[in-house]
Amino acid sequence: KQEVTQIPAALSVPEGENLVLNCSFTDSAIYNLQWFRQDPGKGLTSLLLIQSSQREQTSGRLNASLDKSSGRSTLYIAASQPGDSATYLCAVGWKNSGGSNYKLTFGKGTLLTVNP
Amino acid sequence: EAGVTQFPSHSVIEKGQTVTLRCDPISGHDNLYWYRRVMGKEIKFLLHFVKESKQDESGMPNNRFLAERTGGTYSTLKVQPAELEDSGVYFCASSQDRRFRMADEQYFGPGTRLTVT
Repeated sequence: KQEVTQIPAALSVPEGENLVLNCSFTDSAIYNLQWFRQDPGKGLTSLLLIQSSQREQTSGRLNASLDKSSGRSTLYIAASQPGDSATYLCAVGWKNSGGSNYKLTFGKGTLLTVNP
Repeated sequence: EAGVTQFPSHSVIEKGQTVTLRCDPISGHDNLYWYRRVMGKEIKFLLHFVKESKQDESGMPNNRFLAERTGGTYSTLKVQPAELEDSGVYFCASSQDRRFRMADEQYFGPGTRLTVT
């Protein structure tokens, strides 16, 4: 059974700081890994999706890496801004051998606060 | 392009009552998923539709939960009768047909917060 752990549970940093959020998973047989952002009372916004064959993906100030063999992913946020304050969720994608079934297993998230 | 929408945004019902949640996926998305987040826990998978067919319902907690997707468009999730432990936020997500690149990227709705008293 896949389990996803995110560390730390909460993080508070001053504006401008670079930071790293960590995600670990117990079963390395993943199909992909997706990072989401959730603002209070809102849905999940997809930030980056890394396929299992990839090592990293970048979008603007965000960089996500994947080390499947060690069961780890990191989300790097450069030059953090107060608008980055949100809960960041890591989700591991699993697909069956036939490719017809697909689902995400989530971590509990990291609550990020960027102080002006 | 409109995103995934869910209705209602919040529902408060008494134990034993029935509640129906609705999800409208992004137009043209064949895949529709339901997830749930119970307080203090992580978001968990409930089921997956491909068009109007249930592809995987391994996450449904018990037979008090019934999901439908008539015509392969919107979906409903009915809880009957509701119990206290059903309280949580129910999310719906959709994704494109797997023939498309990045077909597995899921787009989530804002969720329905269900409170059972």
